Amino acid sequence: KAGVTQTPRYLIKTRGQQVTLSCSPISGHRSVSWYQQTPGQGLQFLFEYFSETQRNKGNFPGRFSGRQFSNSRSEMNVSTLELGDSALYLCASSFRGEDNTEAFFGQGTRLTVV
Amino acid sequence: AQTVTQSQPEMSVQEAETVTLSCTYDTSENNYYLFWYKQPPSRQMILVIRQEAYKQQNATENRFSVNFQKAAKSFSLKISDSQLGDTAMYFCAFMNHPGGAGNKLTFGGGTRVLVKP
Repeated sequence: KAGVTQTPRYLIKTRGQQVTLSCSPISGHRSVSWYQQTPGQGLQFLFEYFSETQRNKGNFPGRFSGRQFSNSRSEMNVSTLELGDSALYLCASSFRGEDNTEAFFGQGTRLTVV
Repeated sequence: AQTVTQSQPEMSVQEAETVTLSCTYDTSENNYYLFWYKQPPSRQMILVIRQEAYKQQNATENRFSVNFQKAAKSFSLKISDSQLGDTAMYFCAFMNHPGGAGNKLTFGGGTRVLVKP
């Protein structure tokens, strides 16, 4: 079974630009969550999508948005990039059953804002 | 809101020895899950072990075991017979029961473990 695939792996953007990150979950997984990892703030939850609906949202400004497609693939968009958005963005997929809570992570997208 | 605290930023251990990582959490929920994730230099987050709050028996997974103290809200990880490949960041994480707030993981700040030969 293929794992969680995130593209691109590395990205350099300029302040003020926007960026779209992609996440393909494990086949059969309908839940996709996004996390931001920075040295200062650690790992922070951005949002979760399940069956194309946002189920949870973390404490991030509206510049951060996402969506999920019918095939469960998810995209995350950050508009008007700021230097502080430089981070490793991790995507996790899970089956989201009552007794199946394991989240499988992708290798992340390293975003650098200059 | 739940919080997870890892009080040890860094720990080192000799190969084949045992190391214990601490984690405390705060929640008003009664039904939840706790996890330890490993993040090696490759940045890939890997699940090490999982504990359901309703289970009193401590989870074990090969050389990894936990000491879950629900009343004290404590969830420590013991790595036995440490191997060089265990060198990584270790994150303690909390998740409410899926029926509630979904699959949101709340992470601690991490503990860097260095296994020395």
